[in-house]
Amino acid sequence: GAVVSQHPSRVICKSGTSVKIECRSLDFQATTMFWYRQFPKQSLMLMATSNEGSKATYEQGVEKDKFLINHASLTLSTLTVTSAHPEDSSFYICSASLGQEGNYGYTFGSGTRLTVV
Amino acid sequence: DAKTTQPTSMDCAEGRAANLPCNHSTISGNEYVYWYRQIHSQGPQYIIHGLKNNETNEMASLIITEDRKSSTLILPHATLRDTAVYYCIAKKGGTSYGKLTFGQGTILTVHP
Repeated sequence: GAVVSQHPSRVICKSGTSVKIECRSLDFQATTMFWYRQFPKQSLMLMATSNEGSKATYEQGVEKDKFLINHASLTLSTLTVTSAHPEDSSFYICSASLGQEGNYGYTFGSGTRLTVV
Repeated sequence: DAKTTQPTSMDCAEGRAANLPCNHSTISGNEYVYWYRQIHSQGPQYIIHGLKNNETNEMASLIITEDRKSSTLILPHATLRDTAVYYCIAKKGGTSYGKLTFGQGTILTVHP
C-alpha cells in the first residue's frame, strides 16, 4: 500500500531556531501534499496544500513566511518552521494525495511532535 | 463541503459492535462520505468511504441512509486497538483531489 514517511517523529528546539520536517512518499508519486497542525485535544487543521514544482497554497491565518513549504519532487515535501516560538509547539502531520479514487486516496504520515523551549 | 456532526464520545465493550453515527443533512449529490480514524499521537488512517450504497471492507461497514442525510460506521467486533478518534467527512468527488477538512470527530473508547 501507499506509505508516507515523516521525519523526525519528535523534535525539541530552542526558541528562535528553525526546524525542518520531511515528508516522503515511499512507493508512489505524490502530486499534492497537505500539511496539518494539531494542538492537544483538538482536531487537525489544514495549514497548506503543496503541489510539486509550484508554490504552496496557505489556509487563511497561516503565515507563509513562518511556515515554509517546499515540494521540489514528487516524493518529497518539507515544512520548515522558521524562528520557532513556544506557541508553535504542536503535532504536525503531512498527507499525500495519490490523485486517484480508491482506498488510498489520502495517506498520512505518522506526525512530528514539535516542542519549542 | 457539507458540515458533519458527530457525538463527542462513545463507549463500546470489547468484542461488541461499535456503531458510530454521523449527521450530514446538507450533503450534496456529488459529495462522498469518508471515515478516517486517528489513534493517539499518530496520523489519521483511512477506513472507508461511500456515496449512496452501503459499503463494507475488511475494517468496517458504512451504512448510508436513503436520503443520505446521515450515516453509521460499524466496527463489527471492536477491540481495544480500535480506541481512537473517528472522523466523518463529506467531500466532493470520489477522488483524492482537493482538501480533506476534519471536524471534531467522535472519541471511541473500547473497554474490556
